[in-house]
Amino acid sequence: SQTIHQWPATLVQPVGSPLSLECTVEGTSNPNLYWYRQAAGRGLQLLFYSVGIGQISSEVPQNLSASRPQDRQFILSSKKLLLSDSGFYLCAWISGGNSPLHFGNGTRLTVT
Amino acid sequence: KQEVTQIPAALSVPEGENLVLNCSFTDSAIYNLQWFRQDPGKGLTSLLLIQSSQREQTSGRLNASLDKSSGRSTLYIAASQPGDSATYLCAVRPMDNFNKFYFGSGTKLNVKP
Repeated sequence: SQTIHQWPATLVQPVGSPLSLECTVEGTSNPNLYWYRQAAGRGLQLLFYSVGIGQISSEVPQNLSASRPQDRQFILSSKKLLLSDSGFYLCAWISGGNSPLHFGNGTRLTVT
Repeated sequence: KQEVTQIPAALSVPEGENLVLNCSFTDSAIYNLQWFRQDPGKGLTSLLLIQSSQREQTSGRLNASLDKSSGRSTLYIAASQPGDSATYLCAVRPMDNFNKFYFGSGTKLNVKP
C-alpha cells in the first residue's frame, strides 16, 4: 500500500539555526511531491512542488529551499531560521491525474 | 487566479443533525475537487474526490456534490456524530495548472453530544 512518512513530528529550533525536514513516500513511483505550510488559523500555503528528481518549483520567495535527491524523497531546508518560519509543515504527494492528493502527518516547527 | 472560499468558517451542531458544508470557487475550469478532513495537530485526510465530469461522490455518511457552472461544491454529512468534529477543507485542481491545488480556509465543525 502507499504511505507517506514525514519527520520529525515536532521541532523547536532557535533563530538562526539550520533546518532539515524530510518526507518519503512508499508504494508508488514518480509521484508529484509538495511542501505546504499552515500558519495558525490560516489556510495552506504552497511552498514548493516537484514533478521529478531534481525538479523543484518554488512558489514563495523566502529563506527556505527544497530538494528531491531521490524519486520518493523530498527535503525542506533552511540555512538560517527566522521567527516567521514557525508553523505546521505538511508534505503531500499525488501519483496520477485522477488520483487524490495525500498528506503526511505534518511537522510542528517552533522557532524561538 | 483561482480563489476558493468556504463559508461558514465555523459551525456547531447537535449530534444527529444532517449538515451541509459549502465550498465555492471562482474559475469553473477545474480538473477535480477534493474534500479533506483535518483533526487538530494532524495532517489532512482525503475524504472524497470528484472529477470535473462527475456530479457527486458518496462514501458512507458523506456525500459531495459538484456544480462546475456555478462554481460550487457541497459536502453533506448525514446523522452527524461527535467524532465528525474536525476542520473540513476543499481543494480544486485547475485545468490550466495541473500541478497546483487551491485550498479553501476550511470550516471548523463541532458536533455536540
